[in-house]
Amino acid sequence: GAGVSQTPSNKVTEKGKYVELRCDPISGHTALYWYRQSLGQGPEFLIYFQGTGAADDSGLPNDRFFAVRPEGSVSTLKIQRTERGDSAVYLCASSPQVNTEAFFGQGTRLTVV
Amino acid sequence: AQSVSQHNHHVILSEAASLELGCNYSYGGTVNLFWYVQYPGQHLQLLLKYFSGDPLVKGIKGFEAEFIKSKFSFNLRKPSVQWSDTAEYFCAVSGNTGKLIFGQGTTLQVKP
Repeated sequence: GAGVSQTPSNKVTEKGKYVELRCDPISGHTALYWYRQSLGQGPEFLIYFQGTGAADDSGLPNDRFFAVRPEGSVSTLKIQRTERGDSAVYLCASSPQVNTEAFFGQGTRLTVV
Repeated sequence: AQSVSQHNHHVILSEAASLELGCNYSYGGTVNLFWYVQYPGQHLQLLLKYFSGDPLVKGIKGFEAEFIKSKFSFNLRKPSVQWSDTAEYFCAVSGNTGKLIFGQGTTLQVKP
């Protein structure tokens, strides 16, 4: 498809488990962003990539969260030892280059039980 | 600290009423300003953006916003809303990295 694709769309996991969330950006987009949106709130920045490197990971809440983009395209957000407070919608966005319009995916709804 | 404040959390209007949603920001340096919309069950979509130039910006579906630098504001307006405008609206600001700082959103409900 032409848009940003995120998989899975929904993920239910038990507390303490490890999860991976995948983002397929629009082809050719060099910048990729991850956000987290809790109920009733706006999206909060987690990390962004310019190419393969994480240019700014200041929004990652703690060291249980990690993200990679090894080939400069698909990105994976990894969460270790999940906690109930990690439950949220995780959004991915991409843009042709940094500081241009960002296009968002549908998000992955993560529920930690 | 960088932040965005949206004054209205939940707005209810009748069709054909005029809309204005407030947005104020706190951000050091050059800013780019955005309004995103999220229709029920859909992903975030860009309504309009301001990078530079004319502070009155026109977007899709008849929306417009005015950047008032002295007031740190970027309010969204539409002269006549439709039932299909029912959605959640987010104001956002970015600097030169494209990293977006969002407000908490305004839920707009338009009654037919």
